[in-house]
Amino acid sequence: DVKVTQSSRYLVKRTGEKVFLECVQDMDHENMFWYRQDPGLGLRLIYFSYDVKMKEKGDIPEGYSVSREKKERFSLILESASTNQTSMYLCASSFRHAGANVLTFGAGSRLTVL
Amino acid sequence: DAKTTQPNSMESNEEEPVHLPCNHSTISGTDYIHWYRQLPSQGPEYVIHGLTSNVNNRMASLAIAEDRKSSTLILHRATLRDAAVYYCIRLYSGAGSYQLTFGKGTKLSVIP
Repeated sequence: DVKVTQSSRYLVKRTGEKVFLECVQDMDHENMFWYRQDPGLGLRLIYFSYDVKMKEKGDIPEGYSVSREKKERFSLILESASTNQTSMYLCASSFRHAGANVLTFGAGSRLTVL
Repeated sequence: DAKTTQPNSMESNEEEPVHLPCNHSTISGTDYIHWYRQLPSQGPEYVIHGLTSNVNNRMASLAIAEDRKSSTLILHRATLRDAAVYYCIRLYSGAGSYQLTFGKGTKLSVIP
């Protein structure tokens, strides 16, 4: 089974701190994604990457950046954390199955910004 | 923009079939219909997807209307472990399209 591992399940940070969320997948998938999930809003795409060093903005990229230096690793960076970035962050990678892209998600990282 | 409509919540009795509806009236001919579910305190997991024909796998069945404007995820015998939020998503699967946009989903409760 594909495994997507997020480095931290729970983080507490202070406003203005720089935050790194790390994600590693072990199945050589080319596409990787970062979502955030908030009550009543579903999952919203922040950034995705379809290859090493390549990135594309999703629906809500403001306040975030990403890094993909190796195929298996996709990092989400909050340059200066703010309280409105308190959320559950989900990483995913995708593969082709029966003509479509199928996502495998990590367990999530719950970030609280004080 | 998820461009799908699902009921906010549904209930089912354990060991009975569950039919979860989804409307996607603006779907284009090249959009696949995907279903994911999210159990409490976990990331979403893939359930099933299809284009035009009905699809079956070990987890569920997907029934797609002939005009493709709606679909139904069928759990044949609900168990307590099926209690989750179910997301219906449409995705263009052409080259260069990688995004899945999730809406609010349907929260399924299973009653023992």
